Amino acid sequence: NAGVTQTPKFQVLKTGQSMTLQCAQDMNHNSMYWYRQDPGMGLRLIYYSASEGTTDKGEVPNGYNVSRLNKREFSLRLESAAPSQTSVYFCASSVSIRETQYFGPGTRLLVL
Amino acid sequence: QKEVEQNSGPLSVPEGAIASLNCTYSDRGSQSFFWYRQYSGKSPELIMFIYSNGDKEDGRFTAQLNKASQYVSLLIRDSQPSDSATYLCAVNRNSNLFFGTGTRLTVIP
Repeated sequence: NAGVTQTPKFQVLKTGQSMTLQCAQDMNHNSMYWYRQDPGMGLRLIYYSASEGTTDKGEVPNGYNVSRLNKREFSLRLESAAPSQTSVYFCASSVSIRETQYFGPGTRLLVL
Repeated sequence: QKEVEQNSGPLSVPEGAIASLNCTYSDRGSQSFFWYRQYSGKSPELIMFIYSNGDKEDGRFTAQLNKASQYVSLLIRDSQPSDSATYLCAVNRNSNLFFGTGTRLTVIP
């Protein structure tokens, strides 16, 4: 059981470039989440998917899009990266929307 | 007002002592409460969750919830150097999980 996996581990982008962060879980969880973590700001929810086929905005959705590809996979896309999106991005999953969330190892993104 | 507030620390305790970590939350509608531990450069990992008023114990860890005071705490007994990490309090409200900024704990050998 790998749990929650994320790719890539680290990425450098130039302003205006696009990229997709991938997340997959093998725990048969229904709900999946994307967070960003910044110094002094804590973890903030970007988007979540309560179940396959649904997605909803979290606290800081601007500049991001998501796709719940299937029950296992939930991707986060930056269409036009900005330096303000430099952060560590964590994917998480849970059995259902109010249950304990389990986190992936994170992706460190640097936008120059 | 932030959803979840924690003292950022650092909190330093000697090995073997009790570490007490505190968290307050702003919305009385909050339904469930979690403590995560995060080592530097790593992802958060769950320590405990608590839903009801009172205490919940798991090994060296005790979570305490007081909904009337909107207060959650985590006690770590017999603190070990390996407990040195940042502890995140998280509160679930309306299907969203809100995190505090974390308290950095250092256990001194």
